[in-house]
Amino acid sequence: GEDVEQSLFLSVREGDSSVINCTYTDSSSTYLYWYKQEPGAGLQLLTYIFSNMDMKQDQRLTVLLNKKDKHLSLRIADTQTGDSAIYFCAEREAAGNKLTFGGGTRVLVKP
Amino acid sequence: NAGVTQTPKFQVLKTGQSMTLQCAQDMNHNSMYWYRQDPGMGLRLIYYSASEGTTDKGEVPNGYNVSRLNKREFSLRLESAAPSQTSVYFCAGGQSYNEQFFGPGTRLTVL
Repeated sequence: GEDVEQSLFLSVREGDSSVINCTYTDSSSTYLYWYKQEPGAGLQLLTYIFSNMDMKQDQRLTVLLNKKDKHLSLRIADTQTGDSAIYFCAEREAAGNKLTFGGGTRVLVKP
Repeated sequence: NAGVTQTPKFQVLKTGQSMTLQCAQDMNHNSMYWYRQDPGMGLRLIYYSASEGTTDKGEVPNGYNVSRLNKREFSLRLESAAPSQTSVYFCAGGQSYNEQFFGPGTRLTVL
């Protein structure tokens, strides 16, 4: 079955860039997503990328997709304390209506 | 607009008890989803409903039933709760997988 892996934890200083990495196994993935979860809240969709793209930029967020290596990354420029949260990547399988989520990366932004 | 609402926010059950988690959305979405979130495992899909009157099993449906009462409401029922069902449950609604909106979650503990 599909598998999505992320590192557990990332610590970054305020103002620096953060890079969160994700690997997946399903080569037929159509879309890949990044969600943010703040404490006590549900998931908020940050951005997504179609599998035929290799980069997408949205303000401070840059998504890079290496389809050959099945590697997805989210770069947050000028990281702020409000960016402290758990970030989940997810992939959507080509057939069906299922999202497979990674285990989440907890990002801690230090002042 | 409240978006996606869930009740209750917290619940403690004894093994064998039953309960229904309620979810409602006011965004006129066709699709609704139930996920569970366990530490380090991301979200796993329990059941989903692509449209009013239809429901389908997700990745981990055993021990659960769902009802799509109308377009707005999608409930999740545990007929005989087990400690393995201790989790945080999220409901989501969306027109497509590229725009799922999540509720705030229900934290369930089964003793």
